[in-house]
Order: sequence, then C-alpha cells, then structure tokens
Amino acid sequence: EPEVTQTPSHQVTQMGQEVILRCVPISNHLYFYWYRQILGQKVEFLVSFYNNEISEKSEIFDDQFSVERPDGSNFTLKIRSTKLEDSAMYFCASSEDTGSYEQYFGPGTRLTVT
Amino acid sequence: KNQVEQSPQSLIILEGKNCTLQCNYTVSPFSNLRWYKQDTGRGPVSLTIMTFSENTKSNGRYTATLDADTKQSSLHITASQLSDSASYICVVKEGTYKYIFGTGTRLKVLA
Repeated sequence: EPEVTQTPSHQVTQMGQEVILRCVPISNHLYFYWYRQILGQKVEFLVSFYNNEISEKSEIFDDQFSVERPDGSNFTLKIRSTKLEDSAMYFCASSEDTGSYEQYFGPGTRLTVT
Repeated sequence: KNQVEQSPQSLIILEGKNCTLQCNYTVSPFSNLRWYKQDTGRGPVSLTIMTFSENTKSNGRYTATLDADTKQSSLHITASQLSDSASYICVVKEGTYKYIFGTGTRLKVLA
C-alpha cells in the first residue's frame, strides 16, 4: 500500500541553524500539508500546498518557514533559523484531492533544537 | 476563534468494553469532521470523515456521529481491544485547505 515517507526520522540541530525536512507524498496525490506537534500538545496545521504554491498557511507559518516541491516527488519544509521552540514532531501529509478525501500522514520527523 | 474541544482528556477501560469520546467544535466555515487514531510517536490515521449532511458513519468497531446543529460529534468504540490504546483526535476542516485539530482523548485499554 502506498505511504507517505519522511526523512530524517530525527534531526538534532543547533539554534540559529537552517534545517530542511523532507517528505515524499503518495505519487498520485496533488495536495500536500505540513503539521507540527509539540511534545504533549495537539497537532497544529502549518501549511497546505497545491499546484506549486501555498494555498493556505497558519499564523505559525511565518517568514522563517518555507515549503518547496523541488521535483516531482519531494516536498520539503525549510526552517531558516531554528529556535528552541521549533522543537517538535513535524508531520507531512498528502491527499488526492481536497473536499472529503482522506489525508495520509507520514511517520513524522522529530526535530530537536539545542 | 475556531476551536475543537474533546472530552474526556483520558480514559481507561477494560478490554471488551465500549466507550464514547466527545468532540465539540466552533469552526466556520465548516467543511467536514474527521476522527483520527494516533499511536504514540506516529502520524494520525484516518478513521472516519463526515460531511455536514451525515449523521452517522461506521468503520468496523468505530462509529462516529455528527450533530451539525449543536456542533457536536462522538466516536463510539465497541468491544475494545488492547490495540485500541492510542490518542483519538477530532479534526474539523475549515474551508478548503485548513484543518483544526482537537487536543485528543488518550485511551488506555487494559487486559
């Protein structure tokens, strides 16, 4: 069964460094999403992406964040200058379409900022 | 502010028993409501998706209800199994692209 994959599974970085989190969505899906979950808290929507542009973003997704689909398969989240409070689990998700289509989540990347 | 509230925060039941989890939301514009199961350290997995006009939807031992008038939903789990131990998250889709997550109910099923 097709699945969303994410790399790395765990990333440790120093404050102020740039990180890129990578995702490979399911191949025929057109809509892509990033979420974060701070330890012990709820999942929070960051951004949705369709047709090579951001379709919606939350207040969390400020200028430090950017997303890209550099080729036909990868979908990346870049954090330009990491802060301690960026430490969280980051989930990528994809769906075939919008509306009531299922969203499939990847296993997540745990980001630890020291 | 658009919000999704869930209760209880946590629940412990014995294997084989039934349970019901609650979700109240204030999200506009409402698109649909989803229930997810999340195992610790893993991504959420979809259980059901309900639109405005649907009152009940089942997926095996999981049955979700939706009352769009009172903005409430429930997830009923029958004949619980040890593998049902997880967090159950209510998610409301706002508009076309945005998803509002609840804080989840942490369910523990004991043998």
